[in-house]
Amino acid sequence: NAGVTQTPKFQVLKTGQSMTLQCAQDMNHNSMYWYRQDPGMGLRLIYYSASEGTTDKGEVPNGYNVSRLNKREFSLRLESAAPSQTSVYFCASSEATSYQPQHFGDGTRLSIL
Amino acid sequence: KNEVEQSPQNLTAQEGEFITINCSYSVGISALHWLQQHPGGGIVSLFMLSSGKKKHGRLIATINIQEKHSSLHITASHPRDSAVYICAVKSGGTSYGKLTFGQGTILTVHP
Repeated sequence: NAGVTQTPKFQVLKTGQSMTLQCAQDMNHNSMYWYRQDPGMGLRLIYYSASEGTTDKGEVPNGYNVSRLNKREFSLRLESAAPSQTSVYFCASSEATSYQPQHFGDGTRLSIL
Repeated sequence: KNEVEQSPQNLTAQEGEFITINCSYSVGISALHWLQQHPGGGIVSLFMLSSGKKKHGRLIATINIQEKHSSLHITASHPRDSAVYICAVKSGGTSYGKLTFGQGTILTVHP
């Protein structure tokens, strides 16, 4: 039961470096999401993709880009990492309706020095 | 003021106690989710409800739409229930599954 798979699980970057966080789901879900989780802040939506071929900004999109490569995969890119982007990143997916739960990956712990 | 407020922020209990975690929200919603996050980070959806009450094992979730309030109850708590419990709402005006999250309640159950 793979569900939502995120890679890598851990990463340390230097300020200014770029990297892409990968996310894939095998549940044939239409909608996918990227969140960041910071202490005392709760989960905040970075970007989401309601369906294949569409992406939209969430609450905190600055400094990030996304690609919905196909129905299964939704990647998050940091073009020039900043220490403020140190966080735990979660990918999630759901059916494209209001009344279905979201399924989360295990998270990527990203530290930017 | 956050759209989703949880209380308490921290909760410590002895094994066997009945536990209640509260969630209040300030916007109209179409659905409310309760999630569980264990140490190590994985997040699991426990319940999704838009009215009434749902029960799964020792967990019970209720929602009062008029009062904009939901509660998560754990009966006969056990140390393995120790986790962060997160309330999230889907606002009626937002598209698809976009959720707004509370800050979470850290529950510790001692043997």
